[in-house]
Amino acid sequence: AQTVTQSQPEMSVQEAETVTLSCTYDTSESDYYLFWYKQPPSRQMILVIRQEAYKQQNATENRFSVNFQKAAKSFSLKISDSQLGDAAMYFCASRIGNEKLTFGTGTRLTIIP
Amino acid sequence: KAGVTQTPRYLIKTRGQQVTLSCSPISGHRSVSWYQQTPGQGLQFLFEYFSETQRNKGNFPGRFSGRQFSNSRSEMNVSTLELGDSALYLCASSSDRGHGQYFGPGTRLTVT
Repeated sequence: AQTVTQSQPEMSVQEAETVTLSCTYDTSESDYYLFWYKQPPSRQMILVIRQEAYKQQNATENRFSVNFQKAAKSFSLKISDSQLGDAAMYFCASRIGNEKLTFGTGTRLTIIP
Repeated sequence: KAGVTQTPRYLIKTRGQQVTLSCSPISGHRSVSWYQQTPGQGLQFLFEYFSETQRNKGNFPGRFSGRQFSNSRSEMNVSTLELGDSALYLCASSSDRGHGQYFGPGTRLTVT
């Protein structure tokens, strides 16, 4: 079974600063995908970024980027130039083959004005 | 493209009743997954349907069931509601396992 661990229940960052959210996963498979989701107070889950395990290059989406360390089974999310609208719960998730998408327990990010 | 839609958005039911929730995926998406989200248990996977077949199933009692129609729309049913079933029920669709799942706004179910 897949496991996804987010060891930081809460984090905070000053507006305009950079913050990194941690995620580790556990699988012995080679075919898998990793995702970060954002859930703001509206509760709408939003796909932020995705990474194919077979790709060496770290994914980037505007101010969001990942640091994918395959050997360490680490998949952290970096948010640059943090904005008030980035305040949300962030979930890391993995999918192996056609198995279910497995989520971590989430990190609540607070942006300090 | 229109996003994932879920109906109804809010629902209040009484213990012992049953409820049916509906989800319309993004056009062209053949996979639909359902999740239950509560403050205490977090995000829990219920089931996934792909081309009308249940592909994955979570650890929920048989009171929770689902189905998918030929147009990919999906419904989930909860029978004999319990207070603990009060939750936000999220539906997500995807076109391919690697592209990620796209979520609807959820249905908030309150059982009294």
